[in-house]
Amino acid sequence: AQKVTQAQTEISVVEKEDVTLDCVYETRDTTYYLFWYKQPPSGELVFLIRRNSFDEQNEISGRYSWNFQKSTSSFNFTITASQVVDSAVYFCALSDQGGKLIFGQGTELSVKP
Amino acid sequence: DAGITQSPRHKVTETGTPVTLRCHQTENHRYMYWYRQDPGHGLRLIHYSYGVKDTDKGEVSDGYSVSRSKTEDFLLTLESATSSQTSVYFCAISESFKWGARSSYEQYFGPGTRLTVT
Repeated sequence: AQKVTQAQTEISVVEKEDVTLDCVYETRDTTYYLFWYKQPPSGELVFLIRRNSFDEQNEISGRYSWNFQKSTSSFNFTITASQVVDSAVYFCALSDQGGKLIFGQGTELSVKP
Repeated sequence: DAGITQSPRHKVTETGTPVTLRCHQTENHRYMYWYRQDPGHGLRLIHYSYGVKDTDKGEVSDGYSVSRSKTEDFLLTLESATSSQTSVYFCAISESFKWGARSSYEQYFGPGTRLTVT
């Protein structure tokens, strides 16, 4: 069975701190995709990144970076120099071969000024 | 932003009544999905569609049915609403699910519908 675990339910940091959100997944598929989505207080779900199982290169986009490690089945997300606008619930998700997403429970990040 | 709308955005209904939620897209994407979001569970797939009149069940399909008679519309029906179906419902679309680096695989989500069953 496929599963995504986000062990951190809530994280609270002070503005400008770096923060890492953990994501561990389980799958028997050799080909799969991993995703991160952001859900701000307004409620919509915003796509952040897709990573396929063949590409273990880390990715950086501005203050955001992602560390994909197949050896530990992890796909962690780091925000550098956090800002209040980063406050949101962040979801990690895994796709199966039919294109369906399996979501983790989400991590609520609170960035205080 | 992907053109996805959901209606209604908020609904309160009584136990035992039928409810239909509508998802409408203007992107002409083939794949459409219905998820529900509940505290502690993230989002869970209810039903999905891979084309007009082609639908299949997801993880939590009991008590729900769907229909897709046009590419742009995907309807979710609760035949007889129960309090356990109080949730936020999200529709999503994707262009493709073909494996490959060039495939547009991401799912884009609608704004959500908050349903309360009393």
